Amino acid sequence: AQKITQTQPGMFVQEKEAVTLDCTYDTSDPSYGLFWYKQPSSGEMIFLIYQGSYDQQNATEGRYSLNFQKARKSANLVISASQLGDSAMYFCAMRDYGGSQGNLIFGKGTKLSVKP
Amino acid sequence: DVKVTQSSRYLVKRTGEKVFLECVQDMDHENMFWYRQDPGLGLRLIYFSYDVKMKEKGDIPEGYSVSREKKERFSLILESASTNQTSMYLCASRRQGAGNSPLHFGNGTRLTVT
Repeated sequence: AQKITQTQPGMFVQEKEAVTLDCTYDTSDPSYGLFWYKQPSSGEMIFLIYQGSYDQQNATEGRYSLNFQKARKSANLVISASQLGDSAMYFCAMRDYGGSQGNLIFGKGTKLSVKP
Repeated sequence: DVKVTQSSRYLVKRTGEKVFLECVQDMDHENMFWYRQDPGLGLRLIYFSYDVKMKEKGDIPEGYSVSREKKERFSLILESASTNQTSMYLCASRRQGAGNSPLHFGNGTRLTVT
């Protein structure tokens, strides 16, 4: 069965520093997609970045980049130059191609706190 | 921008009541989903729908049902609410086909069953 593991329940980072949020996954399907979402205290889930299993380069979106290491089955999110507004829950998710029409399987999340 | 709207932000219901959670999306998406979110458990899929009048069970369908009579609307129904259904409920939609298309979420409904 497919599984997403986020081992860091909570993390602190100093404003303007970079931070890495860990995510490992498990799947036997050679074709899959990995997503990161941000959930501020307001509750909305905001899509940040996507990495496909066949993508040759690591995905980047502004201050977000994905450190994709396929052999290690890891897809860590890197946030550069942290801002106070980055304080939120962050979820790693994987697309399940096993017949659920695009369902995402989510990790349990990491709570990031940015300190001024 | 895709907009997914959940009808209520907060709901308080009594045990045994029938509860309807409504979700509407405005981007003609084929797929729609209902998740519940609990601290320490992440998001878990309750039901999803890939087309009008079609529905499939997710990982935790017990105690829930759904309805999709129109493409833009996906309703979650708690037939007889129980206290263990107190949770945050998130609706999402996506365009079918492209593997990289993300789920677009509503703001969530925080349901308390007393």
